[in-house]
Amino acid sequence: DAGVIQSPRHEVTEMGQEVTLRCKPISGHNSLFWYRQTMMRGLELLIYFNNNVPIDDSGMPEDRFSAKMPNASFSTLKIQPSEPRDSAVYFCASSLALFQYFGPGTRLLVL
Amino acid sequence: GIQVEQSPPDLILQEGANSTLRCNFSDSVNNLQWFHQNPWGQLINLFYIPSGTKQNGRLSATTVATERYSLLYISSSQTTDSGVYFCAVSGEAAGNKLTFGGGTRVLVKP
Repeated sequence: DAGVIQSPRHEVTEMGQEVTLRCKPISGHNSLFWYRQTMMRGLELLIYFNNNVPIDDSGMPEDRFSAKMPNASFSTLKIQPSEPRDSAVYFCASSLALFQYFGPGTRLLVL
Repeated sequence: GIQVEQSPPDLILQEGANSTLRCNFSDSVNNLQWFHQNPWGQLINLFYIPSGTKQNGRLSATTVATERYSLLYISSSQTTDSGVYFCAVSGEAAGNKLTFGGGTRVLVKP
């Protein structure tokens, strides 16, 4: 199994631009999670889906962030417009039961 | 929400040494996992251990749910054990929503 796949691995953009992060979960997993990691706040859950349905988005920082899961094999996290404080590593994880498997992350830098 | 505290924040070990990392949590949990983040940033799950004891090679973990703590043991440490170790928990009402501790940064010197 290829594991959780995220793209791009690195993204550098300018303030105000739209950023789209992509995730392909492990085949057969029914839960998908988006996390953000920063030095100041550590690892924090942004949103998670069960069977493609958003269950808890209380960690999404503000309306500039949105996430979708149109099918069981694909999810996106969009930031529009991006701001320098959004610079972080964004991880996607998936699970079948309670054990979560993380992707390699997307390192985002907003200038 | 549930609070997770890890100690120590930093740990420097000589190769071959043993160590214990601690995770305290503020409420009952139905999910507790230990992760290792390697120096390249990859997060690897080590254990799912809401209670009891498990061992995997040189690593073992014990969770005493009634006293709200978990311990991760590293024996005969190797340089490849370097990185950050995270404890993550979720309470019974939180479903799959994990709350991460601040991590213990481990450096194993050759």
